[in-house]
Amino acid sequence: GAGVSQSPRYKVAKRGQDVALRCDPISGHVSLFWYQQALGQGPEFLTYFQNEAQLDKSGLPSDRFFAERPEGSVSTLKIQRTQQEDSAVYLCASSFLSGNQPQHFGDGTRLSIL
Amino acid sequence: KNEVEQSPQNLTAQEGEFITINCSYSVGISALHWLQQHPGGGIVSLFMLSSGKKKHGRLIATINIQEKHSSLHITASHPRDSAVYICAVTETSGSRLTFGEGTQLTVNP
Repeated sequence: GAGVSQSPRYKVAKRGQDVALRCDPISGHVSLFWYQQALGQGPEFLTYFQNEAQLDKSGLPSDRFFAERPEGSVSTLKIQRTQQEDSAVYLCASSFLSGNQPQHFGDGTRLSIL
Repeated sequence: KNEVEQSPQNLTAQEGEFITINCSYSVGISALHWLQQHPGGGIVSLFMLSSGKKKHGRLIATINIQEKHSSLHITASHPRDSAVYICAVTETSGSRLTFGEGTQLTVNP
């Protein structure tokens, strides 16, 4: 399809394991965002890429969270030594340009830490 | 205090009713977005606006920049409109979105 694709859709991990979440943005989109959405709440910003450059990572909650976009297209969000409070839906969004643009969202990855 | 606040948190309506969801924000913005989220997580962008009013089908979004307030209206509501509606802003300082908590709308037949 032509939309933003995220995988896996669901991920269950034991506390302490490392996880990797993947985002395939719309082809040609310059900007890519990661958001975290806890149950019953609005999404919260994690990090932002413009092409391969990570321009803002101020929303990452700890140094266990790491994101990359090495070739300016696919992005991976990695969480090391997962904890229960990491359980959430992780949303990826992309936009054609930077700045004031509509963002196109993927369906998210629902992460459950046991 | 959240930078983006929505009201009401939950709204139940009968099919055919006119619905209004409100959003207030406290930061400088370059645009305000209304988004729709169905169960399962997928978010769809409904409107992006920086002034005035936009209409798409039965949906109308308005914004008052001076009062830092926006409304989303749904005319002739239908059960398929049941979803979470989220207000978000793009702050003047950057590209990322800052979200409200969302309004859970249920339209009963």
